[in-house]
Amino acid sequence: EIVMTQSPATLSVSPGERATLSCRASQSVSSNLAWYQQKPGQAPRLLVYGASSRATGIGARFSGSGSGTDFTLIISSLQSEDFAVYYCQQYNDWPRTFGQGTKVEIK
Amino acid sequence: EVQLVESGGGLVKPGGSLRLSCAASGFIFSGFSVNWVRQAPGKGLEWVSSISSISYILYADSVKGRFTISRDNAKNSLYLQMNSLRAEDTAVYYCARGPGTTFDYWGQGTLVTVSS
Repeated sequence: EIVMTQSPATLSVSPGERATLSCRASQSVSSNLAWYQQKPGQAPRLLVYGASSRATGIGARFSGSGSGTDFTLIISSLQSEDFAVYYCQQYNDWPRTFGQGTKVEIK
Repeated sequence: EVQLVESGGGLVKPGGSLRLSCAASGFIFSGFSVNWVRQAPGKGLEWVSSISSISYILYADSVKGRFTISRDNAKNSLYLQMNSLRAEDTAVYYCARGPGTTFDYWGQGTLVTVSS
C-alpha cells in the first residue's frame, strides 16, 4: 500500500497570504495525485487532479505541482472560504490512499 | 447537476449488519465507477470499496469478507452491505463517483455508529 504523508499537520495563515501544503508518497505515483478540500460538516470537494490540473469550477488561486513522490498545493492568496482541511490522494495503485490531511487555519 | 444521496446509516451493535444505499442523479450512472469512502469521527479519509461500470469490484483489506458492494443501474443506485460490524467501522460513509481515478463528486454522507 502506498502511504501518503502530508505536512504540516496544521498551517496558520492570515487572509490574503500564501499557503504551501506538501504531500509525499512512499513510492512513485507518477502524476496520479489529487487534492481535496473539506470544510467542517461537509463532504470533500475535488480541487486538483493529475497533480496540476484544476477541477471544474476551482479558482486559479489553487495550483498543484509535482510528480513522482513529492507534491505541493499552493493557495496563492487565502480567502475566508479557503480555511479548511486539505487531503492529497494517490490513484496510481490500489488501494487508493489519502494523506492524513493539513488543516489551514486563520492566523 | 450531479447528485449523490446516501441513506441507511444508524446505530448498530457489534457483530450486526447494515445496508447503505446511494441514489444517483444528474449523470449516466451505468457509465461510471462508484465508490464508498469513509471517515471516522475526527479522522481522515479511507477508501472502502469500488465497483466499476462493468461491475469489477475492489475492497480495502479492512473490510474484505465483511462488506459487499453492489449496484443497480436500472435504479441508479449503489449499495454497501455491511456485516460483522466492528467498533472501528464507525464512520461517516460517503458515496463518491469516480472515473477509476479521482473521486469527482461526493454525497453528503451517512453516519454509521457501531456500539453496544
